[in-house]
Amino acid sequence: AQRVTQPEKLLSVFKGAPVELKCNYSYSGSPELFWYVQYSRQRLQLLLRHISRESIKGFTADLNKGETSFHLKKPFAQEEDSAMYYCALSAKTGANSKLTFGKGITLSVRP
Amino acid sequence: GAGVSQSPSNKVTEKGKDVELRCDPISGHTALYWYRQSLGQGLEFLIYFQGNSAPDKSGLPSDRFSAERTGGSVSTLTIQRTQQEDSAVYLCASSLDRNEQFFGPGTRLTVL
Repeated sequence: AQRVTQPEKLLSVFKGAPVELKCNYSYSGSPELFWYVQYSRQRLQLLLRHISRESIKGFTADLNKGETSFHLKKPFAQEEDSAMYYCALSAKTGANSKLTFGKGITLSVRP
Repeated sequence: GAGVSQSPSNKVTEKGKDVELRCDPISGHTALYWYRQSLGQGLEFLIYFQGNSAPDKSGLPSDRFSAERTGGSVSTLTIQRTQQEDSAVYLCASSLDRNEQFFGPGTRLTVL
């Protein structure tokens, strides 16, 4: 069985502060990990995926297989980063498959 | 082009009634997914269609839930004899071949 854990429900920081949103997973194979974001009154959308190794909107995430983690980081938070963030896991890499989501974390960036 | 669309956007029903939720995926996308977003529960996978293969129904919570995908395009999620715990936002997503899932706006279901 696969599981995604996001241990915190809410993170509130001031603009310019560093951000780290935690994600741990449980899966016996080689999963693909994603971060999805939902801004207020908008659809859920893909932020980044570990196989792309990209930085999107200043966010990065590194897959740590030893610690089974995929934490999302940004060095300097902006107010427009305020949103709900979900970590998700797919049992297949690079191919269509259902996603197992964590419960999400609300990021609030204060001016 | 147009994204994933869902209808209705809101549905209020009485306990015990049946409801149908519709999803129009992005044209050409081979995979279609249904998820449920409940307060405090995050997003739960319900069912997944890939091309002409048999759907993955492993996330359906009970036999009151069923879904069809006609002609490899539009999908309908049906909930029979609705219960109050079925109240949630039902999200549909579609993807082409690399599992980048594009989500619809959701249908908010309220069971009174």
